[in-house]
Amino acid sequence: AQSVAQPEDQVNVAEGNPLTVKCTYSVSGNPYLFWYVQYPNRGLQFLLKYITGDNLVKGSYGFEAEFNKSQTSFHLKKPSALVSDSALYFCAVRDMRITSGTYKYIFGTGTRLKVLA
Amino acid sequence: DTEVTQTPKHLVMGMTNKKSLKCEQHMGHRAMYWYKQKAKKPPELMFVYSYEKLSINESVPSRFSPECPNSSLLNLHLHALQPEDSALYLCASSQTGAPNEKLFFGSGTQLSVL
Repeated sequence: AQSVAQPEDQVNVAEGNPLTVKCTYSVSGNPYLFWYVQYPNRGLQFLLKYITGDNLVKGSYGFEAEFNKSQTSFHLKKPSALVSDSALYFCAVRDMRITSGTYKYIFGTGTRLKVLA
Repeated sequence: DTEVTQTPKHLVMGMTNKKSLKCEQHMGHRAMYWYKQKAKKPPELMFVYSYEKLSINESVPSRFSPECPNSSLLNLHLHALQPEDSALYLCASSQTGAPNEKLFFGSGTQLSVL
C-alpha cells in the first residue's frame, strides 16, 4: 500500500525566512503526491500536486514543492514565510483506484507550521 | 461555484439522538467522500460515493449511515453515537477521471456527543 510520512510534528520559522515542511513517500509505481493546508476549524485546502513532469511544482499562496525520486521525498517550500502561513499542513498520496477516475487518498500525520513575527 | 457546503457547522447530540449531516456541491463532481478527523490528526476516510453509488465503506460502524440522494448531495445519518465519535466530520468531492485531480473539502461539522 502507498504511504506518506511527515517526520516533524511542528516546524517553527521566523517571518521572512524560508520554510520547508518535509514529506517522504513509499509507493509502488508512479507517485501522485499532494499538499493540503488546514486552518483552524476549517476543511483542507489544496496547495499543489505532483503527477509527472518538472520536479519543482508551483502552487497556491507562493508555495512550491520539490519532487525527489531518489530520496522519495516531496518537501513543501516557501522562500519567505508569512505569519498567515501558520497552519496545519498535510502531505497526501493517491492510493488505490476505486472506480474509473475515483481514487482513495492517504494523508500523512500533519505538520504544524508556526511562523513567528 | 467552487465550494463544498456542509451543514450544520456545529452539532451537539446525546447518545440516543438521531441527527444528520448534510453536504452539497455544485461543481458537477461525481465522487464524494466522508472523512472523520480528530484534533491534530489526519483525516480518516469513512465512505466514498462514485456516481451516487457507495464504493467504499472503511469498516465504519453501522451507527453511521451515508446517503447520496443525487449527484450534488451527500448526507451522513447518525444514530446512537458514542462519545468517542466526537470529531470534525469533513465532506469532500472531486472530479472523476480529470487531469485537475484534487479534493475539494467543506469546512466540516464539529460534532460533540454527550
